[in-house]
Amino acid sequence: GNSVTQMEGPVTLSEEAFLTINCTYTATGYPSLFWYVQYPGEGLQLLLKATKADDKGSNKGFEATYRKETTSFHLEKGSVQVSDSAVYFCALSQASEGYKLSFGAGTTVTVRA
Amino acid sequence: DVKVTQSSRYLVKRTGEKVFLECVQDMDHENMFWYRQDPGLGLRLIYFSYDVKMKEKGDIPEGYSVSREKKERFSLILESASTNQTSMYLCASRLAGGSPRETQYFGPGTRLLVL
Repeated sequence: GNSVTQMEGPVTLSEEAFLTINCTYTATGYPSLFWYVQYPGEGLQLLLKATKADDKGSNKGFEATYRKETTSFHLEKGSVQVSDSAVYFCALSQASEGYKLSFGAGTTVTVRA
Repeated sequence: DVKVTQSSRYLVKRTGEKVFLECVQDMDHENMFWYRQDPGLGLRLIYFSYDVKMKEKGDIPEGYSVSREKKERFSLILESASTNQTSMYLCASRLAGGSPRETQYFGPGTRLLVL
């Protein structure tokens, strides 16, 4: 079956630091890849997505590139803000699995002023 | 604006009680999902529904059942709550169709404590 592995947290950064969260996946075929974010006390919301190899998803200064050769979808942001403090989830979905999302364990990011 | 609502943000129940968690979406989405979220485990799929009166088991259905009588509403039922069902429960919905591009939209979650 499909699986997603993301780097363990928690991650603590200072404002304006560079953030990267590693995500690798196992799947047959060509899944779609997602990053979801969960701000404190809220549900998940889609941050960005990529649906085919070499696609780059981007939103709110975050980027991730779908790398099929390394089965990775690492999340990056060049300069984080305190408001980026949240839990980040990498996920994939695939037609053969009925488009259900398979999630990584989540990475808690705390940005300090 | 897309909207998925859950009936309660916080719930405290006793062991053995029957618990109903309700989820409503106003986007006319065919597919709906129930997940539980636990620290270090991410989100795990409990049940999902492709359309009205349809249901499929997810990865961890034991101890749970679901009901989908109307398109906009998807209920999760804990037949006899146990302490190991203490968790955050998240509902989501998405449009049907053969595209994995379709985003799942999540509700705010229900934090359930079983004593």
